[in-house]
Amino acid sequence: LAKTTQPISMDSYEGQEVNITCSHNNIATNDYITWYQQFPSQGPRFIIQGYKTKVTNEVASLFIPADRKSSTLSLPRVSLSDTAVYYCLVEGGLSDDYKLSFGAGTTVTVRA
Amino acid sequence: NAGVMQNPRHLVRRRGQEARLRCSPMKGHSHVYWYRQLPEEGLKFMVYLQKENIIDESGMPKERFSAEFPKEGPSILRIQQVVRGDSAAYFCASSPPSTRTDTQYFGPGTRLTVL
Repeated sequence: LAKTTQPISMDSYEGQEVNITCSHNNIATNDYITWYQQFPSQGPRFIIQGYKTKVTNEVASLFIPADRKSSTLSLPRVSLSDTAVYYCLVEGGLSDDYKLSFGAGTTVTVRA
Repeated sequence: NAGVMQNPRHLVRRRGQEARLRCSPMKGHSHVYWYRQLPEEGLKFMVYLQKENIIDESGMPKERFSAEFPKEGPSILRIQQVVRGDSAAYFCASSPPSTRTDTQYFGPGTRLTVL
């Protein structure tokens, strides 16, 4: 399992864009980058997954540079309800990569 | 489509009692995973099951903990003779049989409090 590093916390205001960068220097060729969101007293929720370049869905965008040693989750125009912990995971989808490794994540606090 | 369902949502037990946590995966999902989250920590993998089979239980404590996923009915995580250190949130996740196992859908969790 590739180790990831992300900021412990970030503060933002409603309507702003929030960008969370995750470092994964030892990412392997077959590893994918996945982000989960967890609200208090709830289970994590899959947000987005990517391998390279850019992926966008209705919730977020994921930017992955060519060397894949980092990735940035972008949340456009956040609202108070986006306050949550965001986890960056790097998994290969092979062998024992069902053992999702959730670190401390990034606590995003959105203020009015 | 109903998501992953877990019950009870909150469970209180006294030391020495048994705790049984239930998980019903999403419809069509045949892979079930259990995780434990201690206060102020990230989720830790416990066990991976498919119908009637334990695939990987390397994250389970050696004693008092067991899990099953019978042919019919929900998956059960059983903790015997609970101790205060077992107090945590226990999350179940599921995934369909033909996709990447790193894309998992989580339930709301069961919060176990041991008095």
